[in-house]
This record gives sequence, C-alpha cells and structure tokens, in this order.
Amino acid sequence: GDSVTQMEGPVTLSEEAFLTINCTYTATGYPSLFWYVQYPGEGLQLLLKATKADDKGSNKGFEATYRKETTSFHLEKGSVQVSDSAVYFCALSEGGGADGLTFGKGTHLIIQP
Amino acid sequence: GAVVSQHPSRVICKSGTSVKIECRSLDFQATTMFWYRQFPKQSLMLMATSNEGSKATYEQGVEKDKFLINHASLTLSTLTVTSAHPEDSSFYICSANRGPGELFFGEGSRLTVL
Repeated sequence: GDSVTQMEGPVTLSEEAFLTINCTYTATGYPSLFWYVQYPGEGLQLLLKATKADDKGSNKGFEATYRKETTSFHLEKGSVQVSDSAVYFCALSEGGGADGLTFGKGTHLIIQP
Repeated sequence: GAVVSQHPSRVICKSGTSVKIECRSLDFQATTMFWYRQFPKQSLMLMATSNEGSKATYEQGVEKDKFLINHASLTLSTLTVTSAHPEDSSFYICSANRGPGELFFGEGSRLTVL
C-alpha cells in the first residue's frame, strides 16, 4: 500500500537558517503530494501541493518539488522565522485529494530566536 | 477561508460508555468527510470516509460497529465511539472535502477513556 516517510523530529534551527524536511513516498499510481502544517492548538492547514512530476508547490516562502525519479517531495525554506515553529506533515493522495490522505508521522519544527 | 469545526475538543469518559464527536463544515457543503485517528508521535491514520446520505466506507482493520459514522447532512458528520475502552483513547481528526484537492481539517478531538 501507499506510505509516506518523513524525517523524525524535533528539528531545531535558529532564526534565518535554511530548512529542509525530507519526505519520500511509495505509491502504486501517480499520487498528488501535499505538505500540511499544524500550528499549536490549531487544525491542519494545507501549506502547498503538487499534482504531477516536476511540479513545484510554493507558499509563504516554502517550496517543494515533486521528484518522481527519487519519489521525494522535500520541503525547503531559505530563511525560517520563529513563527514557522509547528508540526509539518507530508501526505499523498492517489485521488488528487478527493479521497483520504496517507500521512507521514509529522516533523516538529522548533525555531529559536 | 473555509472552516471545519469539531466538538468537543476534549472529552473524558468512563470505560463502557459511548462518546459522540461532531464535525461541521461551517461555510461550505461537504458531500465527503474523512475521519482520522492519531496516536502519539504517529501518523494520522485514515479510519473511514463519510458520505452524505450513504454508509461510511471503513478502512481495513477499523471496526465499523465500534466507530459509528453518520453523515446526515451536507455540513455535519458524527463519529460515535461505542462502548469505549482505554485503548480507544486517541486524537480524532476530521476533514471535509470542498472539492478535488480542497481538504480542510478540524482542530481535532482528544478522547481519554478511563
């Protein structure tokens, strides 16, 4: 079945550091890929998505590129802020999001001033 | 933006009782809603797909008689944990589908069974 593997946390960085959170997946078809963010006390929010190979999703300074050859969708940001502290989930959907998502375990990101 | 609300956010109950969790889409109609369960430091695991006006579709290994799902209207799905036991203690999260790729999540409901 489908699965998503993302780096374990917590990841602790200083403000303005470069961020990479690795995510790889296994899927039987051609899934859509997502990054969700969960701020403390809030529900999951869609951060960005990509629906086909070589697509780049971007939002709020975060980027991730759908790499079919390496089955990866790594999340990057050039300069993180304290407000980026949250839990980040990588996820996939075989149905473009019309069906349920398969999630990674989540990566807790802590940004220190 | 779109908002999905869950209630209650926290519930504590005695073993053997039943608990109902509501998931509402506040500003859009959702023909499909999803229920997830999250264990500490684990992924969100899809439990079931809730379809308005029809029976829910359960994932393999999820007991449909234990976790009753009702999607009686386009804005409300409920999850009832029947005869709850301590192993049912978990964080339950719903999401509502406004359209392809447009999934919105509730804040989650933490169930503790004593």
